[in-house]
Amino acid sequence: KAGVTQTPRYLIKTRGQQVTLSCSPISGHRSVSWYQQTPGQGLQFLFEYFSETQRNKGNFPGRFSGRQFSNSRSEMNVSTLELGDSALYLCASSPTGNAEAFFGQGTRLTVV
Amino acid sequence: EDKVVQSPLSLVVHEGDTVTLNCSYEVTNFRSLLWYKQEKKAPTFLFMLTSSGIEKKSGRLSSILDKKELFSILNITATQTGDSAIYLCAVHFGNEKLTFGTGTRLTIIP
Repeated sequence: KAGVTQTPRYLIKTRGQQVTLSCSPISGHRSVSWYQQTPGQGLQFLFEYFSETQRNKGNFPGRFSGRQFSNSRSEMNVSTLELGDSALYLCASSPTGNAEAFFGQGTRLTVV
Repeated sequence: EDKVVQSPLSLVVHEGDTVTLNCSYEVTNFRSLLWYKQEKKAPTFLFMLTSSGIEKKSGRLSSILDKKELFSILNITATQTGDSAIYLCAVHFGNEKLTFGTGTRLTIIP
C-alpha cells in the first residue's frame, strides 16, 4: 500500500511569490491534515479536510489556504510569501480524522 | 487553550540504557493520544492510546496513558543508536486536529 506522497520535496521561492504544495493520501483515507514545522515552533496545525470540506483550521493568516479534491488529494497554497514561511510542510492522512494519522515526507520550503 | 507538554526536551544516554519520555496535556475534550518518531522528515506512527491503564507494546517500545492524571509515558528499553530521533506526542482534543508537543530529542551514544 503506497504511503502519503507530497510534492515537491524541496522549493525555493522569493518573498512575495505564491506557492502550491500537493499531497496524495493513502488510498481509502478521506482526511488530510496539513502542518507547518519550524525549529522554534514545532509542529503547528494548519487545516484539515474531509470529503472536500475544511473541518478544522489552525491559527494561521488567510495567506494560507487549501482544498481537497474528490479523489482526496489535497493542495495547500501560500500567497505573498514571507521569510518566516520557510519551514517543513507536512501532510498527514487518516481514514476519518480521529484515528492514527500517517505523514508524508514533507515539502521543505525556503523563502529568500 | 489545549496544550501538550513533553519532557525532557532532550536526553542523551548510552546504548543499552532504558529511557522514559513524558507527555502531559491540558484538555477540554480528550479523544486520544498518539506517539510518533521523527528521524529525518516524516514522523512515523508508534502508538495510539485511548484508554487509561492499558499498555501498548511494540518490541522494545511501550506506552501507557493515565487519563486521570492527564499524562502518558513512552518507554524504550535496551536502547540502540537507531532509536536516536525526536519523539513527538500529539493529542486529539474533541475534534479532528492533532495538537503536538515540542518533542523530546533523544540521542543514543554507542
